Amino acid sequence: DTGVSQNPRHKITKRGQNVTFRCDPISEHNRLYWYRQTLGQGPEFLTYFQNEAQLEKSRLLSDRFSAERPKGSFSTLEIQRTEQGDSAMYLCASSVGQNYGYTFGSGTRLTVV
Amino acid sequence: QKEVEQNSGPLSVPEGAIASLNCTYSDRGSQSFFWYRQYSGKSPELIMSIYSNGDKEDGRFTAQLNKASQYVSLLIRDSQPSDSATYLCAVIPVSGSARQLTFGSGTQLTVLP
Repeated sequence: DTGVSQNPRHKITKRGQNVTFRCDPISEHNRLYWYRQTLGQGPEFLTYFQNEAQLEKSRLLSDRFSAERPKGSFSTLEIQRTEQGDSAMYLCASSVGQNYGYTFGSGTRLTVV
Repeated sequence: QKEVEQNSGPLSVPEGAIASLNCTYSDRGSQSFFWYRQYSGKSPELIMSIYSNGDKEDGRFTAQLNKASQYVSLLIRDSQPSDSATYLCAVIPVSGSARQLTFGSGTQLTVLP
C-alpha cells in the first residue's frame, strides 16, 4: 500500500489519560505533517517534520502535545492528560516538497469522555 | 481576517448543472493553491492544484486563479450526486506564523438527483 497509514482509526479515552497515534507516510515523501480537524472546520496545522527534524509547530500545539519522527520514517503524536476539547480528527499527511499537495491518511478520530 | 475564506454553504445544485465554489485568501505572496474534496467522515482528498493565473482543467473540474484579486475558484461541470461532499480550499502562504497548507472551513455541496 503506497498511501498514508494512520493507527488507530478510532480512540475513545477518559479525560486525563494519555494517548498516542501513529502515522506511516508515503515512503518517498520526506515531509510529514499533523493536522487536527473539528466538525464543520477545515484541518488546522499542528506540526511539520522534514525527515526526522521537527521544523515547525503551531501555537495550537500546547505543552501536552508532543510529536516525534525518530528515524525520518513513521511519526507519533502523543497527547498527555487529555481534555474534552482534544476530541477531534487527527490527520497525518505527507508530501515530496513544500509547494506540492499533501496526501492525507484516513485519520484518527479521538473522543475524550 | 481569516487566511483562507470560503462560503460555508450549503450549496445545492441539480444533477447535470455547474457547481461553482469560491475562495479568497489573504497572503498576497501565496504561490500554491489546492482544492480538496472531503466526504462525510473521511479524510481530505486532493483533486486540483493550481499555481499560475488562469484556468486549469482536469476532466469535469476546472480551477481558476486570479492572484491580483486573491481569488481561487473551482467549477464542477455536469455535477453528479457522487460529487456531494465538502470542498476545501487550501493555500500555502509565504508569510505569517505557519507556512504550511492552510485550509478554509469548506463549502458543503449537495447535488440533487
